[in-house]
Amino acid sequence: NAGVTQTPKFQVLKTGQSMTLQCAQDMNHNSMYWYRQDPGMGLRLIYYSASEGTTDKGEVPNGYNVSRLNKREFSLRLESAAPSQTSVYFCASSGRDYPLGNEQFFGPGTRLTVL
Amino acid sequence: AQSVTQPDIHITVSEGASLELRCNYSYGATPYLFWYVQSPGQGLQLLLKYFSGDTLVQGIKGFEAEFKRSQSSFNLRKPSVHWSDAAEYFCAVGERADYKLSFGAGTTVTVRA
Repeated sequence: NAGVTQTPKFQVLKTGQSMTLQCAQDMNHNSMYWYRQDPGMGLRLIYYSASEGTTDKGEVPNGYNVSRLNKREFSLRLESAAPSQTSVYFCASSGRDYPLGNEQFFGPGTRLTVL
Repeated sequence: AQSVTQPDIHITVSEGASLELRCNYSYGATPYLFWYVQSPGQGLQLLLKYFSGDTLVQGIKGFEAEFKRSQSSFNLRKPSVHWSDAAEYFCAVGERADYKLSFGAGTTVTVRA
């Protein structure tokens, strides 16, 4: 039982390059989330998927796209990376059975640097 | 929309001393409240959560938190800090109808010998 896994762990991109961050969970959770973490700003929600087949924008969606490939996998794509997207990216998942639906489980993170 | 404030950016505490981290939230109804801990270079781990009932909740690693509705607070405490408690701590709030969470900016705890 690996929980939430993310690949890659580290990535360096040049401005304008594209890449996809992968996330998978093996807890049979319905909801999945992508956050970015920047110093002094906590975690900010980029996109989320409340259930398989749906995705919605979070607080900071500009410059990103997501795909909920199936119930297990939720990917985040940067089409044209910018230095402002240098950050640590976390994927999380949660079940939806009351009252535990809000408890989120986090992956180890991806450290992305855009030069 | 709910919001979370952690007033202390950085706290330094001596090993064996007590620790209290503050968290205030803005939300109309009874929120779901969480404390997460992040060790350097790691993901976030849930310390404890409050959904309803007893306002004093116990968590892992000897932490506890108290929900005070009148003060819109959910402060985290530990009676005796260990060097391994050095980390960043995040308070988060959610609501029943929406499974998203809002996070505070975090408090970094340094433990001195």
